[in-house]
Amino acid sequence: DTGVSQDPRHKITKRGQNVTFRCDPISEHNRLYWYRQTLGQGPEFLTYFQNEAQLEKSRLLSDRFSAERPKGSFSTLEIQRTEQGDSAMYLCASTFGSNTGELFFGEGSRLTVL
Amino acid sequence: GQNIDQPTEMTATEGAIVQINCTYQTSGFNGLFWYQQHAGEAPTFLSYNVLDGLEEKGRFSSFLSRSKGYSYLLLKELQMKDSASYLCAVRVRSNDYKLSFGAGTTVTVRA
Repeated sequence: DTGVSQDPRHKITKRGQNVTFRCDPISEHNRLYWYRQTLGQGPEFLTYFQNEAQLEKSRLLSDRFSAERPKGSFSTLEIQRTEQGDSAMYLCASTFGSNTGELFFGEGSRLTVL
Repeated sequence: GQNIDQPTEMTATEGAIVQINCTYQTSGFNGLFWYQQHAGEAPTFLSYNVLDGLEEKGRFSSFLSRSKGYSYLLLKELQMKDSASYLCAVRVRSNDYKLSFGAGTTVTVRA
């Protein structure tokens, strides 16, 4: 068990470009979450999956954002036509829904849009 | 939306005790979590309270009062490595495990 891993850890892009982030959850975890965190703020919920089904999307997730979890294992988060306001840390978390149900977070993918 | 409030910053001396308060007003409640986040790193789970009272885990304790919408995280015998952001989070519903976070409290431990 290597924990939740995210790739890339850092991404610098120009405004208008598309970016994609990948998350590999802990292997037995069926629930996967994407959060966004900006400096000095707590994580904000974006979307979550149970197995391959995307069950909820935040209003923060504009049409430029799309997330998938095609086989119920890894997930991708794509941002199209990036804007400077998209600059943030994108965190992925997973859980298997134990009694406590704590989320296990990856170290995040930091996006800088120039 | 969910409203979760905690102080922005706290400073304390090595070896001392610090108490981080968190108040919440949410559409539902199914547990309160505390996470620690060092700069540039992932949040890591510290504690979970779903019933009123105190949960103790080594140097860290967490308290919950559901009637008051209030929790605190108590850090004892502070060490330099405890300098971090501490995030209060509420699970609003029982079926999706989604957490709503406060903005975090940055604790600085001074020698």
